Amino acid sequence: DTAVSQTPKYLVTQMGNDKSIKCEQNLGHDTMYWYKQDSKKFLKIMFSYNNKELIINETVPNRFSPKSPDKAHLNLHINSLELGDSAVYFCASSQRSRISGANVLTFGAGSRLTVL
Amino acid sequence: DAKTTQPTSMDCAEGRAANLPCNHSTISGNEYVYWYRQIHSQGPQYIIHGLKNNETNEMASLIITEDRKSSTLILPHATLRDTAVYYCIVRVGVYNQGGKLIFGQGTELSVKP
Repeated sequence: DTAVSQTPKYLVTQMGNDKSIKCEQNLGHDTMYWYKQDSKKFLKIMFSYNNKELIINETVPNRFSPKSPDKAHLNLHINSLELGDSAVYFCASSQRSRISGANVLTFGAGSRLTVL
Repeated sequence: DAKTTQPTSMDCAEGRAANLPCNHSTISGNEYVYWYRQIHSQGPQYIIHGLKNNETNEMASLIITEDRKSSTLILPHATLRDTAVYYCIVRVGVYNQGGKLIFGQGTELSVKP
């Protein structure tokens, strides 16, 4: 069983199109994230949802709209795709330990988006 | 901005211990240090975390200095499959109130035969 699963794994599309990437976690975590990794390999956080509430929004263009229908799902919809949106997008989830307070993220395998 | 600094790259001979340093001089008293790694084209993988005491699990050991301003990740017997980018991370902000794990550039570890 994959803990954090993303679909699709690969996505090739034309500029101007609208596309979505889906993420699901079966770990029972209460927080989910989207990270973007560009060609320079930096991992940048984009969004985070805790119990379906948006808690992090990192100055991402409003063409990007996350949606969390429930705690186990966080989807990323991108409107009017641009060349610069080409990247690998990683979904992650976490649950803060009630005992230690530590917060360990579990990442998906990534979705490689190529905009032509 | 990342709150940690790491060397850009390191080499290690297969079978030897890999010691990856990290500076986190601004860490606050109740923040954990987390280590992740990313093998080429895969999602980041959790390795270990610690607060004050040294920690060990099946993957690695984490040594944290007494003042908590730096730490070292130790892979006791590196294999070729340990070739990856290793990230040392400290949370910025409060969990569930915008707190986040910010990834820096990491250390690119190359394990050589």
